[in-house]
Amino acid sequence: SQKIEQNSEALNIQEGKTATLTCNYTNYSPAYLQWYRQDPGRGPVFLLLIRENEKEKRKERLKVTFDTTLKQSLFHITASQPADSATYLCAPVGGTYKYIFGTGTRLKVLA
Amino acid sequence: EAQVTQNPRYLITVTGKKLTVTCSQNMNHEYMSWYRQDPGLGLRQIYYSMNVEVTDKGDVPEGYKVSRKEKRNFPLILESPSPNQTSLYFCASSFSSVASLGELFFGEGSRLTVL
Repeated sequence: SQKIEQNSEALNIQEGKTATLTCNYTNYSPAYLQWYRQDPGRGPVFLLLIRENEKEKRKERLKVTFDTTLKQSLFHITASQPADSATYLCAPVGGTYKYIFGTGTRLKVLA
Repeated sequence: EAQVTQNPRYLITVTGKKLTVTCSQNMNHEYMSWYRQDPGLGLRQIYYSMNVEVTDKGDVPEGYKVSRKEKRNFPLILESPSPNQTSLYFCASSFSSVASLGELFFGEGSRLTVL
């Protein structure tokens, strides 16, 4: 069955550093991959989408890579700020009409 | 303002008492879906709908029903709630076509407790 793995443990980093979050998937060939941010008790909010033919996508301080050979996406936040503290979810999409989410990685940026 | 609206936001009920969680979107999206979120299990899809009168099961459909009579509304029905359906529920919608699915817009969530 399709499986999506994100770092289950929280990631703590110092303000100003780059945070790197990992999303691995198996038994799946997504056409594209989406990343969402979720604050406690709130609905997820869409951040970025990267297609299978794109190696890298950037939006302001965010960067996403997509390696279909490794079946992995990396999500980077540069110059991190305490306001970036949240849970980040990845969702590989394609092949079906289902969005399947990873369990998310909780990021905490320390001032 | 583009939004997905869920009601109620909070509900405490008892086992077996039928309830409906409403969901409405104002973006003319074809695709709508319901998720439940539980600690350690992440977001799991319950049902989804590609368009009016078209619905399909997600990964955890047992104990739930849905209907899509209008494009903007997608209610979630719990015919006989049980304590294991205590969870945080999210409705979401997106633009969709045969070729692709768009970004999901989520509602604010409905926290349901079944005693």
